[in-house]
Amino acid sequence: DAKTTQPNSMESNEEEPVHLPCNHSTISGTDYIHWYRQLPSQGPEYVIHGLTSNVNNRMASLAIAEDRKSSTLILHRATLRDAAVYYCIRNSGNTPLVFGKGTRLSVIA
Amino acid sequence: GAGVSQTPSNKVTEKGKYVELRCDPISGHTALYWYRQSLGQGPEFLIYFQGTGAADDSGLPNDRFFAVRPEGSVSTLKIQRTERGDSAVYLCASSLIGGPPNSPLHFGNGTRLTVT
Repeated sequence: DAKTTQPNSMESNEEEPVHLPCNHSTISGTDYIHWYRQLPSQGPEYVIHGLTSNVNNRMASLAIAEDRKSSTLILHRATLRDAAVYYCIRNSGNTPLVFGKGTRLSVIA
Repeated sequence: GAGVSQTPSNKVTEKGKYVELRCDPISGHTALYWYRQSLGQGPEFLIYFQGTGAADDSGLPNDRFFAVRPEGSVSTLKIQRTERGDSAVYLCASSLIGGPPNSPLHFGNGTRLTVT
């Protein structure tokens, strides 16, 4: 049970921003939101994580709703190398990360 | 620096045979995780080590699966009497002590196991 809901797939044009949504309506107060992505034929790689406040790093931004029941991963300028499966995971840190099926992002040149 | 290394990258075996899959974590990472991934699915947790001991093995599907990490570094996932349903990509990840949220998981590229 991944405990998050994501669209199966999304499409973006190259060099445009991408907003990947994630619903986690049953999130608890101690759960962090983690995002990983998996490029073809590779293992998943860490993207970003947050608890309550919005977070930015060199890869992406994470916007967390005020009620924490949803979040959005933002890629500011999609490139062809961003085509991957993106996983949104909620986790309190006491148990291993549970991956769902994620969102398959396609980037069109 | 060197990432998580998994060997072999591909393994083909016959039904009923025994296989060993190896994982070399990032140096200094005390936590090590095994996942497996079937086509079209997300990674599925198998077992987690903190140091030499298995802290959580609740994901191992049955007693044909076993994993060790005798010196707290390299780990081996062992599968006895393989079945066709064991065919999957087996992923290893490591992290600094405590793991998420304080330390993210670093994954290898996996071993693709095919049981014929």
